[in-house]
Amino acid sequence: GAVVSQHPSWVICKSGTSVKIECRSLDFQATTMFWYRQFPKQSLMLMATSNEGSKATYEQGVEKDKFLINHASLTLSTLTVTSAHPEDSSFYICSARDSSNQPQHFGDGTRLSIL
Amino acid sequence: ILNVEQSPQSLHVQEGDSTNFTCSFPSSNFYALHWYRWETAKSPEALFVMTLNGDEKKKGRISATLNTKEGYSYLYIKGSQPEDSATYLCALEGSARQLTFGSGTQLTVLP
Repeated sequence: GAVVSQHPSWVICKSGTSVKIECRSLDFQATTMFWYRQFPKQSLMLMATSNEGSKATYEQGVEKDKFLINHASLTLSTLTVTSAHPEDSSFYICSARDSSNQPQHFGDGTRLSIL
Repeated sequence: ILNVEQSPQSLHVQEGDSTNFTCSFPSSNFYALHWYRWETAKSPEALFVMTLNGDEKKKGRISATLNTKEGYSYLYIKGSQPEDSATYLCALEGSARQLTFGSGTQLTVLP
């Protein structure tokens, strides 16, 4: 089946640090990748949608200058949380889809803790 | 903002019992309904993608039905096993082709 690799799994760092999370589709070409965030006891919330070679589309309330997304190839998207603060502590998870009418395939997620 | 609701939030069943849970969603702008199983420390696993009203899909002991007119989907598990313990998520894919997730139903199957 389709495999999506996400790393790192855990990040603990000081306030003000920028953190980069990678999402790779290992055995298929992902025309579209999605980034979600989940706070405790809440549902997965879509942050942004990225298509290879174009700018990401951010959901309302998500700061594009805070959460930089790069989708430079059909197998790699990165999310950089710039100058992270404790309120950015959350679970971030990516997904990828190769074409329409197909399910999204998820990575394992990244738990980010900002001290 | 689309509101996708799942119930119950959690449930415990005995091994061998059959169970079901519900996903309700707004029926306007419907494109597809997705079900995922999410085990602890793993990535969400796609179970079903359903698009047509009246759709029924089956994968082993798990099946799902879809009613787009009234805006609900049921997931059924027959003869639950401990390995079925997981959080089951439904997600609505709207006309914008993005997923809006429910909060999930956390299932625990007791041996």
